[in-house]
Amino acid sequence: ETGVTQSPTHLIKTRGQQVTLRCSSQSGHNTVSWYQQALGQGPQFIFQYYREEENGRGNFPPRFSGLQFPNYSSELNVNALELDDSALYLCASSSFGMNTEAFFGQGTRLTVV
Amino acid sequence: AQSVTQPDIHITVSEGASLELRCNYSYGATPYLFWYVQSPGQGLQLLLKYFSGDTLVQGIKGFEAEFKRSQSSFNLRKPSVHWIDAAEYFCAVGHYGGRQGNLIFGKGTKLSVKP
Repeated sequence: ETGVTQSPTHLIKTRGQQVTLRCSSQSGHNTVSWYQQALGQGPQFIFQYYREEENGRGNFPPRFSGLQFPNYSSELNVNALELDDSALYLCASSSFGMNTEAFFGQGTRLTVV
Repeated sequence: AQSVTQPDIHITVSEGASLELRCNYSYGATPYLFWYVQSPGQGLQLLLKYFSGDTLVQGIKGFEAEFKRSQSSFNLRKPSVHWIDAAEYFCAVGHYGGRQGNLIFGKGTKLSVKP
């Protein structure tokens, strides 16, 4: 049991719309990272949040943005959805600076039509 | 550039047979290395990790992996595969310093197990 929960589990959006995905981190963890996993691919790092600020970003455009709240939960927002944004979005929580692994949630499957 | 290569896209083994999944990495510093497993439609579960020390690491579910710095490899092994091991396996490398949220993943190896 990882303790990382994501919502919703599935959703369908129309191209051009905006979407918000949510993640609750595991108890005791202060860092949340988001990954995009396209079908048949490995997860790709989107960004990481620590102390409510973005702390590292992968090769994703600015229409991918996020938030972290004081309770360490996080949101991923995607504006102007494109068909290629269809993917499994994974959230991972960890303890910044500690030699421990990142624990992943079950993911949100986003389909853009 | 930092990268992870998993040369085998799909492997099929017989139940009870041994398994080795290959992973090679390119990284500029001492890497943190991980193997994750993903069942269909599920998130990622950590099998094992290497940070430092003994280069042969033991994980959950009977898996082990060996870090070979000279070959830039971190291959995953299991002596006897069970049908329940059928899943997709991802090798990942992380940043030195403990920022485990920032991982670079390979494209994965899908394991099928035949009876």
